[in-house]
Amino acid sequence: QVQLVQSGPEVKKSGASVRVSCKASGYRINQYGITWVRQAPGKGLEWMGWINPNNGDTRYEKDLQGRISLTTDRSTNTAYMELRSLRPDDMAVYYCARSELDFWGQGTLVSVSS
Amino acid sequence: VVMTQSPLSLAVTLGQPAAISCRSSQRLEHSDGNTYLNWFHQRPGQSPRRLINKVSNRDPGVPERFSGSGSGTDFTLRISRVEAEDVGIYYCMQATHWPPDTFGPGTRVEIK
Repeated sequence: QVQLVQSGPEVKKSGASVRVSCKASGYRINQYGITWVRQAPGKGLEWMGWINPNNGDTRYEKDLQGRISLTTDRSTNTAYMELRSLRPDDMAVYYCARSELDFWGQGTLVSVSS
Repeated sequence: VVMTQSPLSLAVTLGQPAAISCRSSQRLEHSDGNTYLNWFHQRPGQSPRRLINKVSNRDPGVPERFSGSGSGTDFTLRISRVEAEDVGIYYCMQATHWPPDTFGPGTRVEIK
């Protein structure tokens, strides 16, 4: 069955970078895109970006452009989200999901302190 | 595209119906003929789960009491008889005018 398993919680200081991984099983990652969504504490869902694992094509939310990078490693069936220059308002649970959001990872809490 | 939902909070008696409205600031018909309006349910502490895709298609394993309808800019999620497991937050989301996907603010459903 399809599963997306994400890396564990992270605690970072303002200005640092974070990299969250998302390992897919039950299908080959190059068969579908990967979407990243985040959710600040007590808030709604925010689309961050999407990657096509076949060719590396990416789309990013415009307010994150310049700070976010999405990549995939087809050899390990894993997707990665890197967010740089972290700010306190980047504190959120970060989710990966299969392209059309039919399967989701369990979420990764990223805490950012000033 | 801005998505709005109403109500933002809903208290329902077990076994009674519920309806959540979602409105988009632009029409959601895609040039390929589909309307990419999805509904998600998120229980506390859990990842969202997609319930409905393309307005009215229930995802595998979603109970028949959930149904979606609508067109253009107005969409509705209905629960025919609310059960205890239906509590949580419901989000509509459009993927027609992508990127980005845009979510509604969410509707919190609780049991009265």
